[in-house]
Amino acid sequence: QVQLQESGPGLVKPSETLSLTCTVSGGFISGYYWSWIRQSPGKGLEWIGYIYYRGSTHYNPSHKSRVTISIDTSKNQLSLQLNSVTAADTAIYYCAREAVVTAPSYFFDYWGQGTLVTVSS
Amino acid sequence: QSVLMQPPSVSGAPGQRVTISCTGNSSNIGGGYDVHWYQQLPGKAPKLLIYGNNNRPSGVPDRFSGSNFGTSASLVITGLQAEDEADYYCQSYDKSLSGSKVFGTGTKVTAL
Repeated sequence: QVQLQESGPGLVKPSETLSLTCTVSGGFISGYYWSWIRQSPGKGLEWIGYIYYRGSTHYNPSHKSRVTISIDTSKNQLSLQLNSVTAADTAIYYCAREAVVTAPSYFFDYWGQGTLVTVSS
Repeated sequence: QSVLMQPPSVSGAPGQRVTISCTGNSSNIGGGYDVHWYQQLPGKAPKLLIYGNNNRPSGVPDRFSGSNFGTSASLVITGLQAEDEADYYCQSYDKSLSGSKVFGTGTKVTAL
């Protein structure tokens, strides 16, 4: 059974960089696309971007200028960096594995439990 | 940004049939792209409920079903149970947003 676990600081100061890691266990990171998704308190889901195991990325245009997603296949980990954060970036951040029946309509078949990141001074 | 619109809430008595709509446009659902559905229990991560419009992952009860028509999709719960109280989100692909994945606004289902 594939399991994903997010980790990182729960509190980030405004204007600083949010950094999170997602560790994949019970399966290989290779061969798949991996996404970061966030959910602001009491709000809906927002896709941030994905990375393919070979390193290619695609980001939500809303965050493209501030986001970097990277991958380390040797550690079975992917990472998220979000620069210049504000209070609006306070959210639960999830990592998820992508799957597909008919491209390009990918969906998310495995999710991490999520980690709450609060942006506050 | 949520480009897929869902009703904020739906409710029904146990055993009733409830339907959740997901309305998009020609750049997403209407463009023929698959719709997927997720269930989010209180305090939990979303869980895949329906993929590829009307396919259930292993372990999902067959009282959950999905369908598409034009620029909209629907999730139907046939025989609502108390354990189905949760938030439900649709998700698709949107070609106008540089190929982004987009989610619906979410619907809270309440068993009366």
